[in-house]
Amino acid sequence: NAGVTQTPKFQVLKTGQSMTLQCAQDMNHEYMSWYRQDPGMGLRLIHYSVGAGITDQGEVPNGYNVSRSTTEDFPLRLLSAAPSQTSVYFCASSYSTAQLSYEQYFGPGTRLTVT
Amino acid sequence: AQKVTQAQTEISVVEKEDVTLDCVYETRDTTYYLFWYKQPPSGELVFLIRRNSFDEQNEISGRYSWNFQKSTSSFNFTITASQVVDSAVYFCALSEAYNNNDMRFGAGTRLTVKP
Repeated sequence: NAGVTQTPKFQVLKTGQSMTLQCAQDMNHEYMSWYRQDPGMGLRLIHYSVGAGITDQGEVPNGYNVSRSTTEDFPLRLLSAAPSQTSVYFCASSYSTAQLSYEQYFGPGTRLTVT
Repeated sequence: AQKVTQAQTEISVVEKEDVTLDCVYETRDTTYYLFWYKQPPSGELVFLIRRNSFDEQNEISGRYSWNFQKSTSSFNFTITASQVVDSAVYFCALSEAYNNNDMRFGAGTRLTVKP
C-alpha cells in the first residue's frame, strides 16, 4: 500500500493564483482531512470529509475549497492564493466510525509559498 | 471547543538522559481520545499512541511511556535513555467523541537530543 500520497511536494504561487493540492489514499478509509502547519501553531484542521460526497469545515476553512467524489481522493483548492496561506499542508486519512476516533495516517506534506 | 497546550516549546537534552514532554488538555466531553505524534526532521508525521478517556492505565512501549491523569487533564510522554534519533517535534492531540471529526493539536515540543 502507498498509504496517503500528496502532490506536489513543493509549490510557489503568486498572490491571486489558484491551484489544487492533490491527496489520495489506498487504505479504503472513510475519513480524510486537510491540515496546515505553521510555526508555533501545530496543525490546524482546514476541511474534512467523512465519506464520498460529504465534506465539512474545520477550524480554518477560509480561502479553501474541497470536494470528495471518490473514497480515494480528497483535493484541496486554493481559490485565490494569499501570502497568509504560505504553509505546509498535510492530508490525512483514518478509519472512523460514528463512535470511535482512530489515529490518522498522514501524507508527506506539501510546502506552499505564496509571494 | 477542545484545546491542547504543550507549554514546552523546545527541550534540549544530552543522549541517555530521560525527558518528559508535557501535554495538558481541555474538553467538556466525558469521552475523548488523546494522541501523540512524532515529526522527525524529514517532516512526516508518525503516530505513536492513542488513548481513550476511560483508560487511565499508563502505557510503556520500549523506551517510551505515557502518563494519563484525568485529575490534572494531562497526558505526558516520557522518553527514557534518550537517543539522537529521538530528536523531533512531538505533538499531542485531542478529539472528542461528540465531534470526533475535529482533532485539535498542540503547538508541539521540539526535542533535541545531543550526542
